[in-house]
Amino acid sequence: QQQVKQSPQSLIVQKGGISIINCAYENTAFDYFPWYQQFPGKGPALLIAIRPDVSEKKEGRFTISFNKSAKQFSLHIMDSQPGDSATYFCAATQEAGNTPLVFGKGTRLSVIA
Amino acid sequence: DAGVIQSPRHEVTEMGQEVTLRCKPISGHDYLFWYRQTMMRGLELLIYFNNNVPIDDSGMPEDRFSAKMPNASFSTLKIQPSEPRDSAVYFCASSPKSYSGRAYEQYFGPGTRLTVT
Repeated sequence: QQQVKQSPQSLIVQKGGISIINCAYENTAFDYFPWYQQFPGKGPALLIAIRPDVSEKKEGRFTISFNKSAKQFSLHIMDSQPGDSATYFCAATQEAGNTPLVFGKGTRLSVIA
Repeated sequence: DAGVIQSPRHEVTEMGQEVTLRCKPISGHDYLFWYRQTMMRGLELLIYFNNNVPIDDSGMPEDRFSAKMPNASFSTLKIQPSEPRDSAVYFCASSPKSYSGRAYEQYFGPGTRLTVT
């Protein structure tokens, strides 16, 4: 199975700080890269996504940075808040054929006051 | 929209028993996915359906697992016989039609937490 490698496994950030989660992929055919957010006891929910025609996408405090040549993408959470404490999953897939998402193993983020 | 509905939310059973997990996808979505989540292995795709037809079941761990989708609004994941190592949270997700341009946005249900003792 095509892999998506995610790091770190866990992250502790002070309130107001920047949280950064990194992912690397192998399959150069991947062309859709979403991030999912999961709160305890809930299913993952789509947070933000990017396609490789842009190097960055920003939605509010959340930004995806994409480096096609390095086959890496990252999620940045600016001004991190305790309410951002959750598990974050990166994922990747090919748009053609609606192939399933390949998920990273997840990063557990804790934002402390 | 009620979102993806899963039942039961929690299931505790003894080893050797049959377990059936149920899922109702979002109306109009024609892709349905079953995942298993554990601390050790993260989110694993077990099987997915397109228009009620199983497309890829290579993630199903072994013959004890089976999944069906008899119609567009219902799917089951069955484990028979269950084992302690099957303890996990099982998620169902659905995805809208590909021509919408949003085929990759998967909507997850709340999950079923299965404990096999």
